[in-house]
Amino acid sequence: QQQVRQSPQSLTVWEGETAILNCSYEDSTFDYFPWYWQFPRESPALLIAIRPVSNKKEDGRFTIFFNKREKKLSLHITDSQPGDSATYFCAALASSSFSKLVFGQGTSLSVVP
Amino acid sequence: GPKVLQIPSHQIIDMGQMVTLNCDPVSNHLYFYWYKQILGQQMEFLVNFYNGKVMEKSKLFKDQFSVERPDGSYFTLKIQPTALEDSAVYFCASSFQPSNERLFFGHGTKLSVL
Repeated sequence: QQQVRQSPQSLTVWEGETAILNCSYEDSTFDYFPWYWQFPRESPALLIAIRPVSNKKEDGRFTIFFNKREKKLSLHITDSQPGDSATYFCAALASSSFSKLVFGQGTSLSVVP
Repeated sequence: GPKVLQIPSHQIIDMGQMVTLNCDPVSNHLYFYWYKQILGQQMEFLVNFYNGKVMEKSKLFKDQFSVERPDGSYFTLKIQPTALEDSAVYFCASSFQPSNERLFFGHGTKLSVL
């Protein structure tokens, strides 16, 4: 049973476009949603995160939109750059679980110049 | 920034052998984790470790798996004996706080069991 789902599996956008990466979850106890990105031959690294008290979190060109009722969130990357090309993982955590992050399968993003 | 080092980057062993994966976490971190990623799939939580003890483990953490961090040295994942389905990339991570607010990951060790 996959608790965190991501779509699409892969995405290609032109430089300057907005990339939209989707994520949904099942467990209502999840209360922390980080996005990690991973460049080829690199380790995953925290990009941006949101808690359900907010429905939006912005950091530069990266914005998370969160819909608690539908258990969905999305990562928007505006003015996409070739350097944004990476795999993006949506993850979820229930604080009561101590520290067990649940990851989605990832979206591979390619930004074409 | 802070780095988590994993040694080796790739390990090839025969089924039934023992293998130890090593992780050098960020120096002041207190919580340590192992995640398993089979090719093309998501990273899955195996275990977390704090103050010399396993705090939480998943059903993927089979009886053949063990973790330890003797005397503040490497945080290790030992598999004995290995099985074909153990082939995966194993990521070590560490954090200063338990809430996973920011995990620092290593590059992973690719384990190939033949």
